Amino acid sequence: DAGVTQSPTHLIKTRGQQVTLRCSPKSGHDTVSWYQQALGQGPQFIFQYYEEEERQRGNFPDRFSGHQFPNYSSELNVNALLLGDSALYLCASSLGGYSNQPQHFGDGTRLSIL
Amino acid sequence: QQPVQSPQAVILREGEDAVINCSSSKALYSVHWYRQKHGEAPVFLMILLKGGEQKGHEKISASFNEKKQQSSLYLTASQLSYSGTYFCGTEGQAGTALIFGKGTTLSVSS
Repeated sequence: DAGVTQSPTHLIKTRGQQVTLRCSPKSGHDTVSWYQQALGQGPQFIFQYYEEEERQRGNFPDRFSGHQFPNYSSELNVNALLLGDSALYLCASSLGGYSNQPQHFGDGTRLSIL
Repeated sequence: QQPVQSPQAVILREGEDAVINCSSSKALYSVHWYRQKHGEAPVFLMILLKGGEQKGHEKISASFNEKKQQSSLYLTASQLSYSGTYFCGTEGQAGTALIFGKGTTLSVSS
C-alpha cells in the first residue's frame, strides 16, 4: 500500500523564480493538504484540496497556488520566490477532510532559495 | 491562534515516563498528535475529539480537557524509538484547518 509520495525531494532555486511541487496521496484518500515547515517549527497550513477545489486556505499570499487532479494528486506552485520561502514543504492526505480522520504525511520537498 | 506546547524539550532514560502538554486560548473541536523524527515525515499518533472520542496508537494515551482547551500526551515506559519531536495540531471547529504548535523534542537514551 503506497503512502504519500512527493517529488522532488530537494530543489534549489533563485529569488524570483517559480517552482512546482507534486504530491500523490495515499491510496484511497481524496483530500490533500499542503504545509510549510520552517526549521525548528511546526507545519504551517497553506491550503487544502478536495474534489479538485481549494476548500480552505491558510495565511499565505496569492503567490502560493495549487491544483488537484481527477486522480486526487496535487501540485503546489509558488511564484516570485523569496528567500523566506526556503522550507520543507509537506503534503498530507486524508479521507474527506479533518476532524476524525488522521492525516498521512509525505517525506516532503526541501526547497532552498539562493 | 497557535497552540502552546510544553515543555519545549524532554530528556529521558529508557523506561521513564513523560507528559507533553498542548494548550489553546480558543475553544477546540479536536486535538491531533504527531511525532516527527529528524529528516522524516510527521507520523500520526492520536486524535481526540470533543465529546470524548479517541483514535490512535495502542501504546500512547492522551487526554483532552474541553473546558480548559488543553490536551496532554502520556508516554509511559519510554523506548529509544520514542525519540523525536511531538506536535499537537488543534482544530477550532469541525472541518477547519489544523494549527500546529512549535513542538516538543523528546530524547530517550539507554
